[in-house]
Amino acid sequence: KNEVEQSPQNLTAQEGEFITINCSYSVGISALHWLQQHPGGGIVSLFMLSSGKKKHGRLIATINIQEKHSSLHITASHPRDSAVYICASRAIKAADKLIFGTGTRLQVFP
Amino acid sequence: DTEVTQTPKHLVMGMTNKKSLKCEQHMGHRAMYWYKQKAKKPPELMFVYSYEKLSINESVPSRFSPECPNSSLLNLHLHALQPEDSALYLCASSQNQRVLRANEKLFFGSGTQLSVL
Repeated sequence: KNEVEQSPQNLTAQEGEFITINCSYSVGISALHWLQQHPGGGIVSLFMLSSGKKKHGRLIATINIQEKHSSLHITASHPRDSAVYICASRAIKAADKLIFGTGTRLQVFP
Repeated sequence: DTEVTQTPKHLVMGMTNKKSLKCEQHMGHRAMYWYKQKAKKPPELMFVYSYEKLSINESVPSRFSPECPNSSLLNLHLHALQPEDSALYLCASSQNQRVLRANEKLFFGSGTQLSVL
């Protein structure tokens, strides 16, 4: 079992829909990252969370440390949000490394 | 400047070739990383440099040889690669390797798409 699990693996949505991507992890972490990867490779770091909630534009990330769970929400989705979204954890005992989830492939249609 | 620049963007090489991938950042970050990513898979950590010293080698074959000439540059030297080494190679940097500040993020380059024939 992967230490970081994401759901769903694939997600399609109509433009304007509210989107939620979930991430669960199995070990104690010092931080959790949400990353966005567009076709062609480039990865953009969206959020780094250690507690609570962060918001940037239409993106909101939340984390519940007790439940070992994080969510990424996209409000008023747009076709340009189509990408792979990856969560990655930094374990407390191995903060040097990121443990990546398998990613959620999002397609937003006009 | 908040970019990590990787060159080349695409590389095709034969199994007997020697080539190098380059990564550069001017954010004053002291930790730099090489990741390998196969299609539709998450990135896999290869190497971590902290303060220009190799701190993590994830049991990477010796045909991959990293080098950190200074705090802004990270190279990955390639020699006698195999077709299964074809992948996207991503470089990343962060302020520090272990210490995480409130808003610290990883900054990734756009990668080098490598094909080994």
